[in-house]
Amino acid sequence: NAGVTQTPKFQVLKTGQSMTLQCAQDMNHNSMYWYRQDPGMGLRLIYYSASEGTTDKGEVPNGYNVSRLNKREFSLRLESAAPSQTSVYFCASGDSETGSNQPQHFGDGTRLSIL
Amino acid sequence: RKEVEQDPGPFNVPEGATVAFNCTYSNSASQSFFWYRQDCRKEPKLLMSVYSSGNEDGRFTAQLNRASQYISLLIRDSKLSDSATYLCVVKTGGFKTIFGAGTRLFVKA
Repeated sequence: NAGVTQTPKFQVLKTGQSMTLQCAQDMNHNSMYWYRQDPGMGLRLIYYSASEGTTDKGEVPNGYNVSRLNKREFSLRLESAAPSQTSVYFCASGDSETGSNQPQHFGDGTRLSIL
Repeated sequence: RKEVEQDPGPFNVPEGATVAFNCTYSNSASQSFFWYRQDCRKEPKLLMSVYSSGNEDGRFTAQLNRASQYISLLIRDSKLSDSATYLCVVKTGGFKTIFGAGTRLFVKA
């Protein structure tokens, strides 16, 4: 069972470069999320998509854009990478409708370093 | 004040010990609660949901105290394989899910 798949797993960029992180889920979930995790801090929500065709900002959206390509795929783009965006990025999916007690399921992360 | 707060630890315990973690949340409208486990350099994985009446899964017991706005996780008979970071997760209606920074547990032989 694939669950949530993220690519790439590792990436090194130079400041100013752009790149797109890919995420796909095969659990037929409506909602998808992008988080970043930095040492000593909890997961922080960058953007989320409640359903196909919608996206909304999370706690730390600056410097990022997202696309919900279809129900399965949700990509995260860094237009002009900065060293402060060095982090581990996790994609997650879930059936998180209002009132739902359903948890989120995570991909295994993308480790991104910006030099 | 953070919306979800956990003692960062680390908790160092011998095998076989019982260890408890607490987590407090600030939003009284929070609806759903979970404990996740995260191994070093791995993704968070759901350990268990937390129900109002408390619930148990093998050696793990989760409790919710809405009046005091905290949840707890009790691990009995600790194993070496329990060494990980435990994340408290609170869902506050809609799509807002807040993760605590985690509590690190080391179980020693």
